[in-house]
Amino acid sequence: ELKVEQNPLFLSMQEGKNYTIYCNYSTTSDRLYWYRQDPGKSLESLFVLLSNGAVKQEGRLMASLDTKARLSTLHITAAVHDLSATYFCAVAGTGANNLFFGTGTRLTVIP
Amino acid sequence: DSGVTQTPKHLITATGQRVTLRCSPRSGDLSVYWYQQSLDQGLQFLIQYYNGEERAKGNILERFSAQQFPDLHSELNLSSLELGDSALYFCASSPFENTEAFFGQGTRLTVV
Repeated sequence: ELKVEQNPLFLSMQEGKNYTIYCNYSTTSDRLYWYRQDPGKSLESLFVLLSNGAVKQEGRLMASLDTKARLSTLHITAAVHDLSATYFCAVAGTGANNLFFGTGTRLTVIP
Repeated sequence: DSGVTQTPKHLITATGQRVTLRCSPRSGDLSVYWYQQSLDQGLQFLIQYYNGEERAKGNILERFSAQQFPDLHSELNLSSLELGDSALYFCASSPFENTEAFFGQGTRLTVV
């Protein structure tokens, strides 16, 4: 079974600072997703990464994928309070669409 | 709003009981997925249907079953409920089997 490791589990950062969340997965995959979840809410899709070297940016968030290292990163630039949430990476098995999720990173941005 | 509708939003029931969770996929989506989110297990894939047929099975207990109907809505049936079944159950849908899936708001099940 595909294993997805995400770290850190908890991240407390000051507004204006930069930080990176890491996502490692165990076997080859077609696609990697990043999601945001606010407490008790649904999963909001942030990025879909499909190929080696893919980089996507939206606002203060940038995601990248290295399929050879089986590693994706979610970089946060100049954090603001509104970014406080739990972030999940999820990996689809090759030829499949069911997702294997990481443990999530609970991000708290402190003023 | 993703367009995926789940009902009910909240459900409280007793141990040993049976419940049915319902999911209406986005218009035109043929594939439906069920996921369970709990504090113990995190987010886990349960089962996938595509155009009425079961396509993939994950860590779904034998006490749980699902189906997708001709109108493409899906139901997840949970029986002989235990305290540990308390979780947030998400449904997601996608147009085809290998396209991005979008998640519903979830059904929070509490077993007391």
